[in-house]
Amino acid sequence: QQQVKQSPQSLIVQKGGIPIINCAYENTAFDYFPWYQQFPGKGPALLIAIRPDVSEKKEGRFTISFNKSAKQFSLHIMDSQPGDSATYFCAAADSGNTPLVFGKGTRLSVIA
Amino acid sequence: DVKVTQSSRYLVKRTGEKVFLECVQDMDHENMFWYRQDPGLGLRLIYFSYDVKMKEKGDIPEGYSVSREKKERFSLILESASTNQTSMYLCASRDGGLYGYTFGSGTRLTVV
Repeated sequence: QQQVKQSPQSLIVQKGGIPIINCAYENTAFDYFPWYQQFPGKGPALLIAIRPDVSEKKEGRFTISFNKSAKQFSLHIMDSQPGDSATYFCAAADSGNTPLVFGKGTRLSVIA
Repeated sequence: DVKVTQSSRYLVKRTGEKVFLECVQDMDHENMFWYRQDPGLGLRLIYFSYDVKMKEKGDIPEGYSVSREKKERFSLILESASTNQTSMYLCASRDGGLYGYTFGSGTRLTVV
């Protein structure tokens, strides 16, 4: 049973485009939603995270949009660059100190 | 910066061998986790620990065990390695509750 569904599995965009990665969750107890970025040969690194008391959070070119009623959240990358090419994972957790539940990942390629 | 150090980047082991994967974190984090990462399957939780000498099974614990004798060290043990355990293994730590993980760089294990 997959608790966090991530799409698409892969994505190719032109430099300057705005890739959007979507995640949907089922557990209404989730209240922490981070995104991780992973470059080849490296472990995932925390990119940005949101809690359900806000509908949007921006950090630099990265934005999380959160829709609590639809149980969905998404990552937008503004003015994407070839250096943003990586695998992106969404995740979710509740406040009970439980492990993060990860989506299956999206491989993003930004081509010049 | 928090550092999570995995002792080996690459390992090649023979079927039936007992394999130890070591992970050390330097920020006094309570929580530590072991995941395996496989193409198309994302990150799957093997075991986790919230305190010294404490361990909890994750989603795929079969064929694995863990040891946490000191707070900073969390070891993953493959009791009798099999070819289906060929994978990237990622260790992570967290300062409890609703905080992001810090991942190590991973150990790519090949069982032949």
